Amino acid sequence: DIQMTQSPSSLSASVGDRVTITCRASQGIGTSLAWYQQKPGKAPNLLLYAASRLQIGVPSRFSGSGSGTDYTLTISSLQPEDFATYYCQHYYSTPQTFGQGTRVEIK
Amino acid sequence: EVQLLESGGGLVQPGGSLRLSCAASGFTFSSYAMTWVRQAPGKGLEWVSAIRGSGGSAYYADSVKGRFTISRDNSKNTLYLQMTSLRAEDTAIYYCAKDLYGDFPEYFQHWGQGTLVTVSS
Repeated sequence: DIQMTQSPSSLSASVGDRVTITCRASQGIGTSLAWYQQKPGKAPNLLLYAASRLQIGVPSRFSGSGSGTDYTLTISSLQPEDFATYYCQHYYSTPQTFGQGTRVEIK
Repeated sequence: EVQLLESGGGLVQPGGSLRLSCAASGFTFSSYAMTWVRQAPGKGLEWVSAIRGSGGSAYYADSVKGRFTISRDNSKNTLYLQMTSLRAEDTAIYYCAKDLYGDFPEYFQHWGQGTLVTVSS
C-alpha cells in the first residue's frame, strides 16, 4: 500500500501569513493527489485534485503543486476561516490513503 | 442538490456486527463510485472501502478486509457497509462520500454528515 506522510503535523500562523504544507508518497503517484480541509465537527471539504486543480468555489489563495512523490499545498495569505486541519489523499491505486493531517492554528 | 444521509451507527459489543446505510439523492446514483471514510475520535481520516457505480468492483483497506463488505442497491439509491467482527479500533465516525466525476473511486466533493459507530463492552 502507498503511504502518505504530511509535514508538519501542526503549525501556528497569523492572518496574512503564507503557509505551506507538504505531503510525500511512499512511491510515485503521478498527480493523483487531492487536498481537503476539515473543520471541527464537519465533513472534509475538497480543495484541490490532480495535485494542482482548484475545485470550483475554492478561493484562489489555495494552490497545489508537485508530481511523483512530493507535493505541496500553499495558502498565499491565511484568512481567519482557514484555521482548520488539512489532509492529502492519493487516489493512484486502491487502497487509497490519507496523510495524517496538518492542523493550522492561530498564532 | 446532492445529499448523502448515513444511518445505522450505534453502540455494539466487540465481535458484533452492524450495517451502515447511506441514502443518496440529487444525482444519478448508479453513475458514480461511492466510498466509506472513517475518522476515529480526535484522529485523522481513514479510507475504508469503495465500490464502483455498477457495484461490480469493490475495494477495501487492509484493516477491514475480510470483515467489512460494501454493497449498493442502485434501485434504492443506497450504499451499505456491512461490518462484522467489530473491534474497539473500528470506533469512529463513518462518512459516505461521492466521487466527484465518475465511476472509479478517486476524490470526493460530497460527503454525508457521518454516523458514529462505537465498539465497546
